[in-house]
Amino acid sequence: AQSVTQLDSQVPVFEEAPVELRCNYSSSVSVYLFWYVQYPNQGLQLLLKYLSGSTLVKGINGFEAEFNKSQTSFHLRKPSVHISDTAEYFCAVRVSGTYKYIFGTGTRLKVLA
Amino acid sequence: DAGVTQSPTHLIKTRGQQVTLRCSPKSGHDTVSWYQQALGQGPQFIFQYYEEEERQRGNFPDRFSGHQFPNYSSELNVNALLLGDSALYLCASRDRDRGTIWDTEAFFGQGTRLTVV
Repeated sequence: AQSVTQLDSQVPVFEEAPVELRCNYSSSVSVYLFWYVQYPNQGLQLLLKYLSGSTLVKGINGFEAEFNKSQTSFHLRKPSVHISDTAEYFCAVRVSGTYKYIFGTGTRLKVLA
Repeated sequence: DAGVTQSPTHLIKTRGQQVTLRCSPKSGHDTVSWYQQALGQGPQFIFQYYEEEERQRGNFPDRFSGHQFPNYSSELNVNALLLGDSALYLCASRDRDRGTIWDTEAFFGQGTRLTVV
């Protein structure tokens, strides 16, 4: 079975500081990897995805993530955060050839002024 | 272009009642999935519809059922509501013109917040 672990439930960081949100997954088969962001009282918006190819993936709003197959990780990074980045971030996997996304429990990023 | 549209946005029901939630996918999208997001948790996959058939199902009881119409819109029905069914229900759709059904991302709606009292 597949699973996703987001070790940090909350990450406070000062504005303009760098941030890394950690995601580890467990799967014995090929997976696709995603990061979604959820603002209060809203649905999920895709930040970036890894399907194949380059392990460094760039997304919207200055975010990037690196796929590390040996460590089964897909950590999300941003070199300089803004107040507007305050939100809940979800890492997700989808097993190749299936429809089902498996989400982590989320990391609440709080950017402080 | 409207995104994934869900209705209603909020709903309060009593234990034992039945509820129907609705989803209209983005224009050009065909596959619809439903997720349940309990407070403080990540979304959990309920099921997915493609070409009006349920294609895959998560670990949810038969009280959860769905339907997809020829115009690709979808309904999620929950019977015999329990307090534990209180959650944000998210609908997601897929762009049928972007790659294969396997390698495109899901686009999510704003969700329907269901409260069971």
